[in-house]
Amino acid sequence: GAGVSQSPSNKVTEKGKDVELRCDPISGHTALYWYRQSLGQGLEFLIYFQGNSAPDKSGLPSDRFSAERTGGSVSTLTIQRTQQEDSAVYLCASSRPLLPNYGYTFGSGTRLTVV
Amino acid sequence: EDQVTQSPEALRLQEGESSSLNCSYTVSGLRGLFWYRQDPGKGPEFLFTLYSAGEEKEKERLKATLTKKESFLHITAPKPEDSATYLCAVQAGSGNTGKLIFGQGTTLQVKP
Repeated sequence: GAGVSQSPSNKVTEKGKDVELRCDPISGHTALYWYRQSLGQGLEFLIYFQGNSAPDKSGLPSDRFSAERTGGSVSTLTIQRTQQEDSAVYLCASSRPLLPNYGYTFGSGTRLTVV
Repeated sequence: EDQVTQSPEALRLQEGESSSLNCSYTVSGLRGLFWYRQDPGKGPEFLFTLYSAGEEKEKERLKATLTKKESFLHITAPKPEDSATYLCAVQAGSGNTGKLIFGQGTTLQVKP
């Protein structure tokens, strides 16, 4: 597609449930990133995938968070046993390798609300 | 610890009233500084990348500049459609990572 696609756009879940968030990057973009944006906060890095290299998971806040990228394209961010503090907008971005001059292209995000 | 601080948090301007947004950074080895625009309910949209002190880039009414400690986003004669949150981010350190560290943003409102 022409842009980064994220689904669902909104998700309301009960505390303790697991959720999966999906990201379809721009075709040909080998780098994929997940960020989290909480109300009134800046974007917080979660995880970075680049081609077949081991992902940089240094931003994942706890072991309840995991992500995978299948076939070098679609990525899924999974949050297990959701907590209220997980409520945020989860943004996915993609780019050509090594963060080129034009930066990332972001999707519109998934707004997660844990009740 | 790498850190990015933006000021002011919020800025209200009248249409045509020029101003500047500030982004101060403390990083170990700056590899690039990025400016993004974010509209409500949307993901950030890329504006500029700056790599070295003294560099400047322009796009329509926006001009970004970089020094060794900070970057400015100058808005000349703004229009209401320039209203948005402006985000600054840095790529720092060594290694093969595209990770960016973002500031908390400046929310700009331009009134007609």
